[in-house]
Amino acid sequence: NAGVTQTPKFQVLKTGQSMTLQCAQDMNHNSMYWYRQDPGMGLRLIYYSASEGTTDKGEVPNGYNVSRLNKREFSLRLESAAPSQTSVYFCASSELAVQYFGPGTRLTVT
Amino acid sequence: AQSVTQPDIHITVSEGASLELRCNYSYGATPYLFWYVQSPGQGLQLLLKYFSGDTLVQGIKGFEAEFKRSQSSFNLRKPSVHWSDAAEYFCAVGAQGIKAAGNKLTFGGGTRVLVKP
Repeated sequence: NAGVTQTPKFQVLKTGQSMTLQCAQDMNHNSMYWYRQDPGMGLRLIYYSASEGTTDKGEVPNGYNVSRLNKREFSLRLESAAPSQTSVYFCASSELAVQYFGPGTRLTVT
Repeated sequence: AQSVTQPDIHITVSEGASLELRCNYSYGATPYLFWYVQSPGQGLQLLLKYFSGDTLVQGIKGFEAEFKRSQSSFNLRKPSVHWSDAAEYFCAVGAQGIKAAGNKLTFGGGTRVLVKP
């Protein structure tokens, strides 16, 4: 039982490049989330998916898109990366209001 | 809109001393409340949660937290810290109702705990 997994662990992009962050959970949870973590700002919600087939914007959605591929997988796409998107990205899943987090992806945009 | 404030950005404590981390929230009703811990380079791990009932909740690793409705607070405590407790701690608030759409959480800015030998 791996819980929530994320790939890659680290990534460096140049401004304007695109990439997709992958997230998968094996706990059969309905809800999944993408957050970004910046120093002193805690975690801010980018997008979430309350259930398979639905996605909604969070607090900071600009510059991102998501896909809930199936119940297990929820991906985050940066179409044209900007330096302001340098951050640590966390995926989480939840059941009964408790969220479980993956190990994170550290993204640097130069 | 709900919000969470953790007034202390950094706290330094000696090993074996007690620890209290403050958390204040703003929410229109009684929320769900959580404390998470993040070790360096790791994801967030749930320490404890409050949904309802007894306002003093016990968590993992010897932590406890007390919900005080009158003060809109949910402070985290540990009687005697260990060097392994050095980490960043996050308080979070969620809307009541197990089926609340998406069960979204709002996080505080975090408190980094340093443990002196």
